[in-house]
Amino acid sequence: AQSVTQLDSQVPVFEEAPVELRCNYSSSVSVYLFWYVQYPNQGLQLLLKYLSGSTLVESINGFEAEFNKSQTSFHLRKPSVHISDTAEYFCAVSDEGSGGSYIPTFGRGTSLIVHP
Amino acid sequence: GAGVSQSPSNKVTEKGKDVELRCDPISGHTALYWYRQSLGQGLEFLIYFQGNSAPDKSGLPSDRFSAERTGGSVSTLTIQRTQQEDSAVYLCASSLALLGYEQYFGPGTRLTVT
Repeated sequence: AQSVTQLDSQVPVFEEAPVELRCNYSSSVSVYLFWYVQYPNQGLQLLLKYLSGSTLVESINGFEAEFNKSQTSFHLRKPSVHISDTAEYFCAVSDEGSGGSYIPTFGRGTSLIVHP
Repeated sequence: GAGVSQSPSNKVTEKGKDVELRCDPISGHTALYWYRQSLGQGLEFLIYFQGNSAPDKSGLPSDRFSAERTGGSVSTLTIQRTQQEDSAVYLCASSLALLGYEQYFGPGTRLTVT
C-alpha cells in the first residue's frame, strides 16, 4: 500500500523568507502527485499537481513542487512567503493501488506558520 | 458553479445514538470519497464510490460505519451507536473520475460525540 510521509508537522518561518515543505512517498511505478492547502476554517483545495510531463509544476500563487522519481519526493517550495500563506498543507499521492482504484493517499499535513 | 456541499456543518450527539452525514457532490462527478480528519492525524480514507458502487469498504473503521450513494449523486455516511472516538471532521470529496483527477472537497461535518 502507498504511504506518504510529511516529515515536518509544523514549519515556522518569517515573512518573505523561503520555505520548503517536504513530502516523500513509497515507491511505485506510476504515480500522480498533489499538494492541497487548507486555510484556517476552510476546506481543502488543490494547490498544484503532477500528472506527467515536466517534473516542475507551479501554482498561481508562487508555490512550486518538483517530482523526483529517484528520491520518491515531491517537495513544495516558495521563495518568499506571505502572512496569507499560513495554512495546513497536505501532500497526496495516487497510484494504481488495489484493483486500479487510484485512490489518493494523504500525508499527515504540515502546518506552515508565517510570522511578521 | 456549485461546489461540494455537506450537511450538517456541525453535529453534536450523545454516545450510542446513530448519525447520518450527507454529501452533495459536484454535478457530473462520478467519483466520491469520504475521509475523516482528526486533529494532528491528517486525512483518513474511509470509502469511495465510482458511480453508485463502493468497490472497497476496507477503510471503514468498524461495522458501525456504512455509506451509500444513490443516483450517482448524493451520498450518506451513517454511523451507528456512536462512540466518543468517532468525534472528528468528516470530509467528502468528488472528482470527475478516479484516475489522477483533482478532488474537490466539501467544508466538512464536525461530529462531536458526548
